[in-house]
Amino acid sequence: AQKITQTQPGMFVQEKEAVTLDCTYDTSDPSYGLFWYKQPSSGEMIFLIYQGSYDQQNATEGRYSLNFQKARKSANLVISASQLGDSAMYFCAMRETNQAGTALIFGKGTTLSVSS
Amino acid sequence: DAGITQSPRYKITETGRQVTLMCHQTWSHSYMFWYRQDLGHGLRLIYYSAAADITDKGEVPDGYVVSRSKTENFPLTLESATRSQTSVYFCASTGSPYEQYFGPGTRLTVT
Repeated sequence: AQKITQTQPGMFVQEKEAVTLDCTYDTSDPSYGLFWYKQPSSGEMIFLIYQGSYDQQNATEGRYSLNFQKARKSANLVISASQLGDSAMYFCAMRETNQAGTALIFGKGTTLSVSS
Repeated sequence: DAGITQSPRYKITETGRQVTLMCHQTWSHSYMFWYRQDLGHGLRLIYYSAAADITDKGEVPDGYVVSRSKTENFPLTLESATRSQTSVYFCASTGSPYEQYFGPGTRLTVT
């Protein structure tokens, strides 16, 4: 069974608008971590934001916030005030057991295109 | 420079040849990982290591060998390269459960 599902292959948004990238996950482990990465056309993987399963508040990092709905097993990334430089592939990932030695499980990604 | 580096960044090799991809990190992180990225698959784990001389298989280990004689280095070797191993390879390291940092990637083409 797919552990991380990103159902939007591509998303389009205009500059300065907000956009939500969807991510659902599946795990029976009560302790886990959720991550979002950005991959621009240059290819590097840039860490954006982290949410722990026991965190009470939704994580925020600048213009990025993670809309964590535990009961629905969703961890959507919200980008406020989109910029042209936000155009990239975005990956949602999960770390089961939430221990440093556990590898990440990735979704297939969503391509975001921001237009002026 | 501090961080995680990979070499080479680009490599073209022929089927059947042995090729080694290098990964070096300066944070002294215990945990290191190798992933491959293919279109339509996201990133998939090849091998990982908890410390020097401790390694274990991931989701797609066949055809790959790893070693870790020093904490900072984690080379990945393709013993006899096949076209199906054409991919982008990422090395990553972790110092805590709240992070995982990736190297810049190696784009490997097997002809």
